[in-house]
Amino acid sequence: ETGVTQSPTHLIKTRGQQVTLRCSSQSGHNTVSWYQQALGQGPQFIFQYYREEENGRGNFPPRFSGLQFPNYSSELNVNALELDDSALYLCASTSTQGDEQFFGPGTRLTVL
Amino acid sequence: DQQVKQNSPSLSVQEGRISILNCDYTNSMFDYFLWYKKYPAEGPTFLISISSIKDKNEDGRFTVFLNKSAKHLSLHIVPSQPGDSAVYFCAGTSGTYKYIFGTGTRLKVLA
Repeated sequence: ETGVTQSPTHLIKTRGQQVTLRCSSQSGHNTVSWYQQALGQGPQFIFQYYREEENGRGNFPPRFSGLQFPNYSSELNVNALELDDSALYLCASTSTQGDEQFFGPGTRLTVL
Repeated sequence: DQQVKQNSPSLSVQEGRISILNCDYTNSMFDYFLWYKKYPAEGPTFLISISSIKDKNEDGRFTVFLNKSAKHLSLHIVPSQPGDSAVYFCAGTSGTYKYIFGTGTRLKVLA
């Protein structure tokens, strides 16, 4: 059974640029959630995708957007990057059968 | 508004002793709580959960207690092992998708 994978591992961008982060969900999981974890904080919910539709959103501006594909993999896109977007971005997947979300290793984004 | 609070940023415990990690919440709509463990350079790993209809759940060395009237939950690890050294996050949810996490407690188990 393959766990949740994310790419890239690390990324450095400059302010104003755009970034795309990728996530492959665990086998059998059709729901993907994205979280932002700033230094010294807990993960903060960005949004969730279920069957290619957004299924809930946290308190993040519209420049944070996402996609889910038919194979349940997902992308997080962030436009007009700001310095405060520097964080660890975590993807988590879950099956409809259970509540526990299984997290990937994250993508560390640094905005200069 | 921090709905889930972990007021102890760090905790040190001797190997073999009990570790008790605490978590308080304010949202009375939460009906499910989870604990995750996080090692550096890895994503959070699910540890144990508890439904609001229970007050205790055990899994091996790990036990979670829920006191709904006090809006408080705790994670007990007995006996503590050096490999338990990590950051522990508690989370609450009122549905199946949006987890609200605390800021974490760094546990250090001393050999």
